[in-house]
Amino acid sequence: AQSVTQPDIHITVSEGASLELRCNYSYGATPYLFWYVQSPGQGLQLLLKYFSGDTLVQGIKGFEAEFKRSQSSFNLRKPSVHWSDAAEYFCAVGPDTGRRALTFGSGTRLQVQP
Amino acid sequence: EAGVTQFPSHSVIEKGQTVTLRCDPISGHDNLYWYRRVMGKEIKFLLHFVKESKQDESGMPNNRFLAERTGGTYSTLKVQPAELEDSGVYFCASSQDPYIGISSYNEQFFGPGTRLTVL
Repeated sequence: AQSVTQPDIHITVSEGASLELRCNYSYGATPYLFWYVQSPGQGLQLLLKYFSGDTLVQGIKGFEAEFKRSQSSFNLRKPSVHWSDAAEYFCAVGPDTGRRALTFGSGTRLQVQP
Repeated sequence: EAGVTQFPSHSVIEKGQTVTLRCDPISGHDNLYWYRRVMGKEIKFLLHFVKESKQDESGMPNNRFLAERTGGTYSTLKVQPAELEDSGVYFCASSQDPYIGISSYNEQFFGPGTRLTVL
């Protein structure tokens, strides 16, 4: 069965600093990988996705993520964090063979200090 | 275009009561999904509708949960009777196009969730 691990429950960074959120997955084949963000009171919004091709993918809001098959990782990065990036971030993998369901990690809550 | 909407945004009920959550998907989206996040844990899949049919309900925890999507538009998720461990945030998502195989994937758009508290 596929699984996703986000080892950091909570991260605090200063505004303007760089950010990297970690995501490791377990999946039998080439995965479809996603990063979602949930701001307070909002639904989950897709930041970016990887299906195939270039392993460095660009998303919205200045985020990017790199797929590393050898490390089973799909870490999310941003070179300079803004206060509005404070939110909870979820890595997900899927769909699984024959199923459309996404498998999510437990999320990383990002706090941004002025 | 309106996004996925969910009602209510919050619900607080006593153990043993019944609660019904509603999800209105994006218009024209045949696929509708329910997910749940129990406090601090990962978001877990509950079930998937294609139009009015249950395509995959492998994530439904037990028979106290009943999901319906009459007419293939909005969906309801009823919990009866509610237990303490049912507390959490229930998310609904929708996507375009019918299921046509593993090689095809359409983004799931999520609603804001319903926060359910069972006391």
